[in-house]
Amino acid sequence: DAGVIQSPRHEVTEMGQEVTLRCKPISGHNSLFWYRQTMMRGLELLIYFNNNVPIDDSGMPEDRFSAKMPNASFSTLKIQPSEPRDSAVYFCASSTQGAGELFFGEGSRLTVL
Amino acid sequence: GENVEQHPSTLSVQEGDSAVIKCTYSDSASNYFPWYKQELGKRPQLIIDIRSNVGEKKDQRIAVTLNKTAKHFSLHITETQPEDSAVYFCAAYSGGYQKVTFGTGTKLQVIP
Repeated sequence: DAGVIQSPRHEVTEMGQEVTLRCKPISGHNSLFWYRQTMMRGLELLIYFNNNVPIDDSGMPEDRFSAKMPNASFSTLKIQPSEPRDSAVYFCASSTQGAGELFFGEGSRLTVL
Repeated sequence: GENVEQHPSTLSVQEGDSAVIKCTYSDSASNYFPWYKQELGKRPQLIIDIRSNVGEKKDQRIAVTLNKTAKHFSLHITETQPEDSAVYFCAAYSGGYQKVTFGTGTKLQVIP
C-alpha cells in the first residue's frame, strides 16, 4: 500500500482565497483524522471520521473550515476564505478502529499571504 | 475532554546518555498511549505504544512505562544516538471512537 496520500504537498495562496486539501486513506482503514500542526499550538485534532461519518468536529477553528468524507477512500478539508493565521502543516491520518496506530500522510504545507 | 501535558519541551543530551520524556493525562478512561517520533520536515511515526493493562514495554533502546494510578507515562531512550534527534509526541486515546489527544511535543537533541 502507498500509505496515506495527501495533496497538494505545498500550497501558497492569498488571503481570501478558497483552499482545498485532499486525503486518500489507507485502503481498509475506517477512521480518518485531520490535524493541523504549528509551532505555537503543536498537533491539533480538527475533525475525525469513522466509517465516513464525522464523529467529532469540535477542533474545527471556525465556520471557515469544513471537512467531508464522501466515501471510504477520499476526504477533503476546505478553508473558505483563508487567512494568514491558517498557515500551517495539515496532516491527514488513518487507522483501523480499535487497532490504535495512526498512519500519517506527508502533510500539506499551507501558506496564506 | 482529555488533556495531555508533556515535559520537557526541549531536551539536549550527550550521545550515549539516556533521555526521559514524561506525560500526564486527565481522563482515567484513556486506555492506549502511543509515542510518535517526527523528524524535521517529516510525518509523525509511531515508535512504541502501551495499553492500560500493561505497566512497561520495551523495544531495544526504547521503553515506555505507565502509572495508571498517577495517570502518567514516560518514554525512556537509552544509549542515545544522533539519529534519535527529533520531536517526540505522546498521546492518549479515550472514547470508543479513538479520540486521540497529543501532548505538545519534546524536541530532543542528541549531541555527538
